[in-house]
Amino acid sequence: GAVVSQHPSRVICKSGTSVKIECRSLDFQATTMFWYRQFPKKSLMLMATSNEGSKATYEQGVEKDKFLINHASLTLSTLTVTSAHPEDSSFYICSARARVSGASYEQYFGPGTRLTVT
Amino acid sequence: GNSVTQMEGPVTLSEEAFLTINCTYTATGYPSLFWYVQYPGEGLQLLLKATKADDKGSNKGFEATYRKETTSFHLEKGSVQVSDSAVYFCALDHGGATNKLIFGTGTLLAVQP
Repeated sequence: GAVVSQHPSRVICKSGTSVKIECRSLDFQATTMFWYRQFPKKSLMLMATSNEGSKATYEQGVEKDKFLINHASLTLSTLTVTSAHPEDSSFYICSARARVSGASYEQYFGPGTRLTVT
Repeated sequence: GNSVTQMEGPVTLSEEAFLTINCTYTATGYPSLFWYVQYPGEGLQLLLKATKADDKGSNKGFEATYRKETTSFHLEKGSVQVSDSAVYFCALDHGGATNKLIFGTGTLLAVQP
């Protein structure tokens, strides 16, 4: 149980185009999902918290107009990188928050999406 | 603010060697602490966790003890295997409404036969 998928796993796009990445919780509902960015040999950087039915909460320094997040249902959140540039090339990872017991929650991570902007 | 510092890798060990990956944290109050593992080409998986001081998390032969006095959560395993080769991330969760995780930089472990 508690499987999170991401699609696509890899994408190459040209500079100036937009790319959409999907994150799905396959066997549970997630009111909250998270989007991270992972740089080579560096940690995961939280970009935003995606809330079902409401606007995403972005971390400081993350451009909300560039990284559009839509949490359309309890099992799907999407991240759209708009007008992509080479510096947006990175590994994007999502996670979904699930209740494990009482007030205890855990995050389950997707396998990540490798974005390369040429 | 909250932060996590873990030892830089890569850590290269022979099979059956003892493993320690250091992790220290900075936080007010009592965060929950986690170790995640990322195998090549895969997403992060929760390896173990501890939610209060002196708790010991354990899984698959790995252990880590929540030490409040030293603000540490070091990962240990008595005898590593080649299949343990992966990147290990220490993280903290300060709770609240959304349970945001703060990660360390990750430590690459390479176990040689």
